[in-house]
Amino acid sequence: ILNVEQSPQSLHVQEGDSTNFTCSFPSSNFYALHWYRWETAKSPEALFVMTLNGDEKKKGRISATLNTKEGYSYLYIKGSQPEDSATYLCALWGTASKLTFGTGTRLQVTL
Amino acid sequence: DVKVTQSSRYLVKRTGEKVFLECVQDMDHENMFWYRQDPGLGLRLIYFSYDVKMKEKGDIPEGYSVSREKKERFSLILESASTNQTSMYLCASLTGSNQPQHFGDGTRLSIL
Repeated sequence: ILNVEQSPQSLHVQEGDSTNFTCSFPSSNFYALHWYRWETAKSPEALFVMTLNGDEKKKGRISATLNTKEGYSYLYIKGSQPEDSATYLCALWGTASKLTFGTGTRLQVTL
Repeated sequence: DVKVTQSSRYLVKRTGEKVFLECVQDMDHENMFWYRQDPGLGLRLIYFSYDVKMKEKGDIPEGYSVSREKKERFSLILESASTNQTSMYLCASLTGSNQPQHFGDGTRLSIL
């Protein structure tokens, strides 16, 4: 079983703070790295899919980077807003043709 | 937009019942998945399918089976429901590793 680790487990920031989370994975057998946002009472929503070492993707105030050689990805949120409050999941697509999810980072943004 | 539809948002069943959770996607995706989500444990894969009539065990298949008779439909079956199968169940589909996975709204299943 692939081991995808996310840190921190939870995070509490003030509105306007910038923050980042980490996703670590075994660098071998890598095909793609996915990031999802999961808001309470909704289904997970895809943020990014990254496949190449050095990939950087951006969507508004959220961006992500990928290092496949050392096995990690960072997700950054600039100027956090209350609507950013959610659980952020990363997932690895490996050789078994399926996604293996981390347990997520739960972000709470307060006024 | 891709739509993944799960038949029920909430379901209450009794111990020992055979339970069917249905999932339909409308984008001709080859791959479909069933997960369960429990507090502190993240998303755990139960079964997945990469083609009609094909199925693969995920990380926690015990007590479950699946059926994929048509490409758009993937059913999860609890053969004899038990209280430890009380959980949130999520269905998902995607077309390939470099494409995002699309999730249904989830079924919160309670086994009494």
